[in-house]
This record gives sequence, structure tokens and C-alpha cells, in this order.
Amino acid sequence: GDSVTQMEGPVTLSEEAFLTINCTYTATGYPSLFWYVQYPGEGLQLLLKATKADDKGSNKGFEATYRKETTSFHLEKGSVQVSDSAVYFCALISPVGGGSYIPTFGRGTSLIVHP
Amino acid sequence: GAGVSQSPRYKVTKRGQDVALRCDPISGHVSLYWYRQALGQGPEFLTYFNYEAQQDKSGLPNDRFSAERPEGSISTLTIQRTEQRDSAMYRCASSSPGANVLTFGAGSRLTVL
Repeated sequence: GDSVTQMEGPVTLSEEAFLTINCTYTATGYPSLFWYVQYPGEGLQLLLKATKADDKGSNKGFEATYRKETTSFHLEKGSVQVSDSAVYFCALISPVGGGSYIPTFGRGTSLIVHP
Repeated sequence: GAGVSQSPRYKVTKRGQDVALRCDPISGHVSLYWYRQALGQGPEFLTYFNYEAQQDKSGLPNDRFSAERPEGSISTLTIQRTEQRDSAMYRCASSSPGANVLTFGAGSRLTVL
């Protein structure tokens, strides 16, 4: 079945440091890939997505490129801020019959940014 | 509504009691999903609906768990004869027709003593 593997956290960085959170996946066919972010006390919300190979999703300074050859979708940001502290979830959707979508999530990676 | 609303936000119950968790999705969202999230883990799929039809319930752990969405809007996840291992955050999400982006509620945290 489909699965998503994320690097273990927490990731602890100083403000303005470069961020990478690794994500690899296993799926049949050609999934769509997502990063969701969860701030304390809130639900998960979409950060960015990519729907086909070599697509780059970007939002709020974060980027991730859909790499089919390495089955990866690593999240990057050039300069993190304290407000980026949250839990980040990598996810995929493989369409099943009838156009139904059941997202599969990774375990999440906690990011802590210090001033 | 403006977002996905879940209630109660916190529920503490004794082992053996039944609990019902409610989800009110975004108006017009056809698909509704239930996930369970243990501490330090990602959301684990339980079941989902398109309109009032339950499309997939393969993630429900056992027959103590059930879900319904009788009018294609509000959904209820029911856990009968709760056990301590049922303690978790239960998350609801909805999506609009043809979309593959989910909007999540803040979740219902269940603690079974």
C-alpha cells in the first residue's frame, strides 16, 4: 500500500537558518504530493502541493519539488522564522477507482525555531 | 460554516462507555474524512464519505467504531464500549468536489480512563 516516510524530529534551528525536511514515498501510479502544517492547537492546513513529476510547489517561502526518480518531496526554506515553528506533515494521494481520494500522511516532523 | 467544526474538543470518559464525536464540514464540501492521530504520529485514515454514502471504512479498527453522515453534511463518529487504547485525537476533514486538498478541523481529543 501507499506510505510516506519523514525524517525524525524535532528539528531545532536558529532563526534565519536553512531548513530541509526529508520526505520519501511509496505509491502505485502517479500520486499527488502535499505538505501540510499544523500549528499548536489547530488543525492541519495545506502548505503546498505538486501534482506531477518535476513540479515545484511553493508557499510562504517554502518549496518542495516532486522527484519521481528518487520518490521524494523534500521541504525546504532558505531562512526560517520563529513563527515557522510547527509540525510538518508530508502526504500523498493516489486516486482510486471512481475518482475517490484517500490521503496518506507521514508521521510528522516537529520544527522548533529559536530566536 | 467558515471552517470544519468538531465537537467536543475534549472528551474524558470511562472505559466501557460509548462516545459520539461530531463533525460539521465546510458548507458545500462533498467529501468528509475521519482520521485518528496518536501522539507523535501522523493522521491515520478511518473512513470517508461522499455526500451521505460511506465510500470506504477500511480504516475503522474494529466493529466498535462506526460513522454516519445521514444528510450528507454533519457526520458522527461513534465508539462503543470504549477502551484505553482508543485514546487519541480524532480529526475530521472535508474537501470540495473534485478537489484533492483537505481542510481539517481542530480535532476532538478523547481520553479513556
